[in-house]
Formats: sequence, C-alpha cells, structure tokens
Amino acid sequence: DTAVSQTPKYLVTQMGNDKSIKCEQNLGHDTMYWYKQDSKKFLKIMFSYNNKELIINETVPNRFSPKSPDKAHLNLHINSLELGDSAVYFCASSQGVDTQYFGPGTRLTVL
Amino acid sequence: EDQVTQSPEALRLQEGESSSLNCSYTVSGLRGLFWYRQDPGKGPEFLFTLYSAGEEKEKERLKATLTKKESFLHITAPKPEDSATYLCAVPRRGSGNTGKLIFGQGTTLQVKP
Repeated sequence: DTAVSQTPKYLVTQMGNDKSIKCEQNLGHDTMYWYKQDSKKFLKIMFSYNNKELIINETVPNRFSPKSPDKAHLNLHINSLELGDSAVYFCASSQGVDTQYFGPGTRLTVL
Repeated sequence: EDQVTQSPEALRLQEGESSSLNCSYTVSGLRGLFWYRQDPGKGPEFLFTLYSAGEEKEKERLKATLTKKESFLHITAPKPEDSATYLCAVPRRGSGNTGKLIFGQGTTLQVKP
C-alpha cells in the first residue's frame, strides 16, 4: 500500500532522447510536486499541481513539461535530454500546504 | 533572500553519543519548519513539523525544537539505524498556498556501533 509511487526507479538514456517519469499517490491529497535532487543532495522544487492546476513553475527549462491527468497522478516529460538533467527526481504530495510526502525517487542518468 | 542552512554537513557519532543538528533560516513570518530523514537511495521521510518558537516534538530518540531563528534536532543515545541524512525545510516567504518549500543541504549522520 505504497503512498507515493514513481516509475521507473532507474532511467538510463542517451542525450537528445525524450523520456517520461510517472507518479501516483493514494493518499487522497489534492497537491502534487516534482523535485530535483542534484549530486550535492540539494532538493529543489520544479513544479506543483493543485487539483490538476499548475500552481508552481520554477525556473525550469521548457524541455520539462508536467502533466496531471487527475488529482492522483502527476507525470513529468522531458524532451531533448541533456547531460545536466542527470539527477534524482522526486514526486511528492500534500493536502493543501500541509506536510509533503515523498516518493522513492527516479534516478535519471543521461549518457 | 530566503535561506535554510544546516550544520554540520556531516556528523560521525559513536553509538550512544548524543548530539544535535542545527537548521537556521532567514525566512520571516515562518509558517512551519519541517524535518525529514533520507536514507540512501530513498525518498525523504517525514519526521516533524514545528510551527512556533518554543515548540518541541519527540519521536523515539529524536527531539526537534524551534526558536525564532533556528531549529535543532537532538539525537539522544543514537543507534546505527539512525544513520541517514536529515533535511530541514521551510515554506518560502510569500509562497501563499503553494507549499513551496526551501530545503537545507542536509546533515549526513553516521552512527558507528
């Protein structure tokens, strides 16, 4: 009964490819997030959706496009992958601005 | 600029050796401070939320406290299984209802048996 799940856990791909990461939460939360954690362990927010509506869009390249088909799902599509996109991407969810609960992460490696 | 700074960056303790981790912040009008634990290869796991100066929360060997400028995570008689990276985060000023958190860089704790 995983609360926040992500697929895939690992993603290895070549520069220039397009890839997607999927996230699902079964906590009944109305807000979902994407974070990026770099090699220095810094967690930085990228996007947030509330009830399927985009409410946070940090300074992220246009190559990154989130999509929320419903309140329980938030996917991240990345076009034209670059070396610098290599990182661990975490999905999280919360009820409003309450505590955020994180998924297990997707380690993206761009070769 | 809103900032969250954690210290030390790394901490090595012997089993049973108590210590404290620090999280200092510059956000005014604090609307909560969150502590998370992150094990290698896993996502951050929620530990505590503190809302006002003087507030304290405990869970097993961990106790979190909050002042107007910083928070401490006290670890009493730690065990090897307490080894992890501990992260603190605060909502960014002016983030309203967006839940936009600023994270510190974390303190990596290693407890040796």
